[in-house]
Amino acid sequence: NAGVTQTPKFQVLKTGQSMTLQCAQDMNHNSMYWYRQDPGMGLRLIYYSASEGTTDKGEVPNGYNVSRLNKREFSLRLESAAPSQTSVYFCASSKWDRRNTEAFFGQGTRLTVV
Amino acid sequence: AQSVTQLDSQVPVFEEAPVELRCNYSSSVSVYLFWYVQYPNQGLQLLLKYLSGSTLVKGINGFEAEFNKSQTSFHLRKPSVHISDTAEYFCAVSDRDYGGSQGNLIFGKGTKLSVKP
Repeated sequence: NAGVTQTPKFQVLKTGQSMTLQCAQDMNHNSMYWYRQDPGMGLRLIYYSASEGTTDKGEVPNGYNVSRLNKREFSLRLESAAPSQTSVYFCASSKWDRRNTEAFFGQGTRLTVV
Repeated sequence: AQSVTQLDSQVPVFEEAPVELRCNYSSSVSVYLFWYVQYPNQGLQLLLKYLSGSTLVKGINGFEAEFNKSQTSFHLRKPSVHISDTAEYFCAVSDRDYGGSQGNLIFGKGTKLSVKP
């Protein structure tokens, strides 16, 4: 099984450029998440989607938008990239029922904004 | 609001020594608790989880953790570490209140475990 697939793996953007990070899961999970990881800060939740058709802000949503395209796909968009958005981005998904809430993670997207 | 505090940012230890990585959480509702491991340049992998029942939870690679509700802690332990355990470890908490912040999984800042020969 592929699990959680993120594309691209690496990206360099110029300040002001836009891009969309793609995420897809093949585990029929209800919930999907976007995190950013910065040194010494752990993983901070940007947005999450508890189910298809719903999205909610996490701890650090400013500068980002998301789309839950269908049950499988959850994309993260940077409309106007800034150097402060240089980070490693992780997508995750979980089944979220009363017996199993384990989150599965993608391999990450390393984004550099210059 | 939920929060997770990992008390040590770095823990150096010699091979075959025991180790404890500390985690405290705060939440206004009952919680699920998790420990994840991240090896260099990789995603996160689940080590173990507490959902309910026995407060002592065993996970992969010989790790275990104990849920202590009165101290709001979920410390991770291993009796004898190996070089291959060198990684960053993250504690995470999720609400059990499905009507509220469903699916909101919050992480601590991580503890880097460095195992030396």
